[in-house]
Amino acid sequence: GAGVSQSPRYKVAKRGQDVALRCDPISGHVSLFWYQQALGQGPEFLTYFQNEAQLDKSGLPSDRFFAERPEGSVSTLKIQRTQQEDSAVYLCASSLARRLAGGNQGTQYFGPGTRLTVL
Amino acid sequence: SQELEQSPQSLIVQEGKNLTINCTSSKTLYGLYWYKQKYGEGLIFLMMLQKGGEEKSHEKITAKLDEKKQQSSLHITASQPSHAGIYLCGARLGGGATNKLIFGTGTLLAVQP
Repeated sequence: GAGVSQSPRYKVAKRGQDVALRCDPISGHVSLFWYQQALGQGPEFLTYFQNEAQLDKSGLPSDRFFAERPEGSVSTLKIQRTQQEDSAVYLCASSLARRLAGGNQGTQYFGPGTRLTVL
Repeated sequence: SQELEQSPQSLIVQEGKNLTINCTSSKTLYGLYWYKQKYGEGLIFLMMLQKGGEEKSHEKITAKLDEKKQQSSLHITASQPSHAGIYLCGARLGGGATNKLIFGTGTLLAVQP
């Protein structure tokens, strides 16, 4: 496929459960981003990878959130001991370029998102 | 307060009418991106602006970045039902150290046939 894919598309978890969300970026894209989008809001940055290196995790809301990209392609966002406030759409995006790149190489292409509902 | 303010928050127009959505920042915009989102779906890239005074068009959508690089507008000419959705502006602000985007809260557009 040509675009960013995410799985699962929908996830329902009971409070306290751990969840893992997967992102497959566009092939060859160096940069990968995770965002969290609450209902009626714009996406908010969580974390950023350049290849396998996590260069910015300043947006992760707590130490229950953990992301990895061990081989520089697929990424997983893990949320431990989920809480109701974690309910949101989790969006993954990838871009061709390395950090600080402008122009078209810096354009981020988004996946369809995973809608997480914590009961 | 929101670093990127979008206005209006929502908009209902008759098919065929023109409309404008604004995105304003208190900081210099380094790379301004317009996306469209339909409910339950991801963001679809529309256009990217980088230079002050830059203007780009695609089909009936035109985006501009003002000279001082702190405001952008998205203009749709002769709106159609297919234009309905949520329009989001995203930007790198203040020359930060990563490519992360800060987003506005979005503008919900409905087009009445």
